[in-house]
Amino acid sequence: ELKVEQNPLFLSMQEGKNYTIYCNYSTTSDRLYWYRQDPGKSLESLFVLLSNGAVKQEGRLMASLDTKARLSTLHITAAVHDLSATYFCAVDMKHSGAGSYQLTFGKGTKLSVIP
Amino acid sequence: DAGVTQSPTHLIKTRGQHVTLRCSPISGHKSVSWYQQVLGQGPQFIFQYYEKEERGRGNFPDRFSARQFPNYSSELNVNALLLGDSALYLCASSWTGEETQYFGPGTRLLVL
Repeated sequence: ELKVEQNPLFLSMQEGKNYTIYCNYSTTSDRLYWYRQDPGKSLESLFVLLSNGAVKQEGRLMASLDTKARLSTLHITAAVHDLSATYFCAVDMKHSGAGSYQLTFGKGTKLSVIP
Repeated sequence: DAGVTQSPTHLIKTRGQHVTLRCSPISGHKSVSWYQQVLGQGPQFIFQYYEKEERGRGNFPDRFSARQFPNYSSELNVNALLLGDSALYLCASSWTGEETQYFGPGTRLLVL
């Protein structure tokens, strides 16, 4: 059974500081995603990482993937209040049989950026 | 272009009742997936449909069923509701189910 673990689950950081969220997964995966969720809202796709060593950046967020270590990181640079949200990593794996792709999510990291 | 749409946005039911949730995918997308997100947790996979055929089912009881229509919209049905079914139900669409899934706003179900 595929397991996805994120840490930390809660993160309070000051504006202007840097921090990293970690995502470990237990079996080989086809793709890894990072999503953002604001309170009471749906999921917004941030990044999709397809191969070992993949790095993607958008604004103050940078995501990377190490498939050998089964580890992805989401690095936050010079945090601002607008980044406060819950961040999920999700692993996409094709299941045999019907051939469906199923996203398995971590529990999420609730980020609060304090002025 | 409209994104994934879901209806209703909120719903209150009592134990034992039945509920139907609806989803319209992004235009051109032929695959729809359903997820359940309990408060404080990550979403859990329920079903995936592609071209009206069920492609995958998560670890949910038979009280949960779904279908996809010729226009690729989808319904999720839950029978004999339990308190534990209270959650945000998310629908996601993609071209074939093998690419990035785009999520709708969700239906928040409360079972009393």
